[in-house]
Amino acid sequence: GEDVEQSLFLSVREGDSSVINCTYTDSSSTYLYWYKQEPGAGLQLLTYIFSNMDMKQDQRLTVLLNKKDKHLSLRIADTQTGDSAIYFCAGSSGNTPLVFGKGTRLSVIA
Amino acid sequence: SQTIHQWPATLVQPVGSPLSLECTVEGTSNPNLYWYRQAAGRGLQLLFYSVGIGQISSEVPQNLSASRPQDRQFILSSKKLLLSDSGFYLCAWSGGGPDTQYFGPGTRLTVL
Repeated sequence: GEDVEQSLFLSVREGDSSVINCTYTDSSSTYLYWYKQEPGAGLQLLTYIFSNMDMKQDQRLTVLLNKKDKHLSLRIADTQTGDSAIYFCAGSSGNTPLVFGKGTRLSVIA
Repeated sequence: SQTIHQWPATLVQPVGSPLSLECTVEGTSNPNLYWYRQAAGRGLQLLFYSVGIGQISSEVPQNLSASRPQDRQFILSSKKLLLSDSGFYLCAWSGGGPDTQYFGPGTRLTVL
């Protein structure tokens, strides 16, 4: 089955770019997702990318997909203190539920 | 538009007491429904999912159970809580197209 790995922590200065990385194992993953979880809240869908795409941009967010290396990244431009949260990568390979990584805790230093 | 509700928002229960957490979805029909647990500082653990009324798949054997008595209602239960059941319980739904899941606000359970 699918396995999704992420680094656990990332710290950046306000105004810098953040890059959160994720690797997955199932090359048949159709969609790959990024979710954001603020303290004490549920997960909020940020964006997703279809497996036949290399890049998707949505305002300050850029998702890059390297299918050869099974590597997904989320870049947040001009990182703000409100971006401090846990970011989850997740993959879908068809009829099974999404498989989530353990989450990357992003800390933004003012 | 679709909305997902969970209650209660927080719950403190003694060890050995029963548990019932409820999740309801509005604005969609025949959703897939999911229960997750998130222990402090950890990732998500899928507990149960359901593709229809009365259809429950269990991912992790434990003292919890789930039921789906109605199309848009998903209930997580326990007859006797353990200390290790403490955590943040999240309900989610998905439906049609990609398996995008949408999460509820969660229930914080503390077992003392």
